[in-house]
Amino acid sequence: NAGVTQTPKFQVLKTGQSMTLQCAQDMNHEYMSWYRQDPGMGLRLIHYSVGAGITDQGEVPNGYNVSRSTTEDFPLRLLSAAPSQTSVYFCASRITDNQNTEAFFGQGTRLTVV
Amino acid sequence: ILNVEQSPQSLHVQEGDSTNFTCSFPSSNFYALHWYRWETAKSPEALFVMTLNGDEKKKGRISATLNTKEGYSYLYIKGSQPEDSATYLCASNSGGGADGLTFGKGTHLIIQP
Repeated sequence: NAGVTQTPKFQVLKTGQSMTLQCAQDMNHEYMSWYRQDPGMGLRLIHYSVGAGITDQGEVPNGYNVSRSTTEDFPLRLLSAAPSQTSVYFCASRITDNQNTEAFFGQGTRLTVV
Repeated sequence: ILNVEQSPQSLHVQEGDSTNFTCSFPSSNFYALHWYRWETAKSPEALFVMTLNGDEKKKGRISATLNTKEGYSYLYIKGSQPEDSATYLCASNSGGGADGLTFGKGTHLIIQP
């Protein structure tokens, strides 16, 4: 059982480049989300989705887009990378959007924007 | 946006000693409190999800309590082992909405042999 799979694990971008961070889960979870982890800060929510075709903004959505065309996949797009987006990104899924269900995290993507 | 606070920020404990640390959160509109264990180079893994005031949960040597009226949760580790070294995250939310969990900054626990 693969759980939540993120690719790539590491990425270096130049300022202004675009890229997509991939996230896939094989647990048939309805709820998926993206967080970023920065030094000295807790995980901060970027975007989330409660099901295929539905997405919404979290705490820090600027500079990122998401889509949810299937239950399994929830890619995160950086439209024009900025140094402020240097961070570790985590994708997480839950079986439903009910807040008493545990989150399953991917291994993370370490992104550096130069 | 909730304010979830964890203390201490870091903690050094001798192997074999017991320890505990705190998560505080707004008690109004409380819905759930999560604890996660995050080892270096791995992804966070759920330890407990608690919803009821007075809840106590246990997994091996690790246990947690919840006080929703005063807005705090304690995580206890009994007889610390080197493999307990990790960052422990708590997260909470308000109102049961779908807008995600708010995480604390974590307590970084180091067990010294």
